[in-house]
Order: sequence, then C-alpha cells, then structure tokens
Amino acid sequence: KNEVEQSPQNLTAQEGEFITINCSYSVGISALHWLQQHPGGGIVSLFMLSSGKKKHGRLIATINIQEKHSSLHITASHPRDSAVYICAAPRGGGADGLTFGKGTHLIIQP
Amino acid sequence: NAGVTQTPKFRILKIGQSMTLQCTQDMNHNYMYWYRQDPGMGLKLIYYSVGAGITDKGEVPNGYNVSRSTTEDFPLRLELAAPSQTSVYFCASSQVETQYFGPGTRLLVL
Repeated sequence: KNEVEQSPQNLTAQEGEFITINCSYSVGISALHWLQQHPGGGIVSLFMLSSGKKKHGRLIATINIQEKHSSLHITASHPRDSAVYICAAPRGGGADGLTFGKGTHLIIQP
Repeated sequence: NAGVTQTPKFRILKIGQSMTLQCTQDMNHNYMYWYRQDPGMGLKLIYYSVGAGITDKGEVPNGYNVSRSTTEDFPLRLELAAPSQTSVYFCASSQVETQYFGPGTRLLVL
C-alpha cells in the first residue's frame, strides 16, 4: 500500500513569493498526481507526471523517481492561487484508484 | 460535456436511514471511483469500478454498496446511515490516468 506524505500542511505567503510544496511516497509508482481543491470544494487535476518536470503557466511540478519525491512550485504567487494542493499516488497497479496526501492549505496574501 | 455530475449537493440524514448518492459521467470513461473526504484527512477510496458490471472495494468500503449497470452511472448506497459517515463524498472518473472529479455531496448524519 502506498503512503503519501505532504509538507507543509499549511503555508501562508505574500503575493509574488515563490512557493514550494513537497510530496513523498513509499512505493514505486507509474505516475504522480497533483490536484487543486478550490475554497468552494471542487477538485481539479493539475498534473500527472512520471518523470522529470512539467510546467503549466506559473505552476511547475517535478518528480524524482529514485528518491520517491515530488515538488509543486508556484512562481509569482497570486491570491487566486489560494487553495488546497493535494498530492496523490496510485494505490497499486492498474486503475484501482489513488492514495492521497492530506493536502497543503496555501494562502497568498495581497 | 457536463463531465462528472453528482446529486444531491447536500443532505441531512437521520441515523439508520438509507440513501443513494448519484454519480453520472458523460465522457464514456471506463473507470469510476467513490472517495470520501473528512476534515484534516486525505481523500479515501470507498469503491471503484473498471467497467459496467465490475466493482471492487477500496480502503473504506464498510457501510456502503455500489453498482455499475451502465458506463455512465455509478451510484453509492448507504444502507444504515451512521454518524461516522458524515463526510464529503466525491465521485471521479478516468479513462487513462487523469481523474475528473464531480462537485461533491456533503452528507451530515445526525
């Protein structure tokens, strides 16, 4: 069974700061997921990555498969980035669902 | 496409009552999932399905049942509601690996 740990649990930063959220998992995986949960509760998938780095706008996700570690970075943070960011890994093989971290509650102050 | 839809949005149940949480997706995805999210905890998998007629238990299946008679629908049944089932329930679907989440159903059992 995969265990997923995220840090920090809570993060408050000023607008414009560079943000890093970390995720580690216990079992080798095919791909790691980063999701965003808006204050209203909706969950959207941001990234799914199996190696290297992916970038979407001001969001960058990296993964080190050997170290079983991934990071989510936000450049030039903005108050609209305030949300809960969740890391998730496959429970096992195939399509049997995800194991989630507890999330990082990010607040960007203007 | 509407994506993944869930009904109801919010429900209050009395202990011992039964109800069905509805989930429908219009993306023709084979894989569907039910998760619950409790405060301060990561989402946990209740049940999942890899196609019509096939379902399997996740991490926390006790007190729930599911069925998958069509590709589109994946209802979650609570037979005898208990206070421990107070939670937010998310349905998700996927075809490859990216999961698409419904807006959630907030359930309160009193």
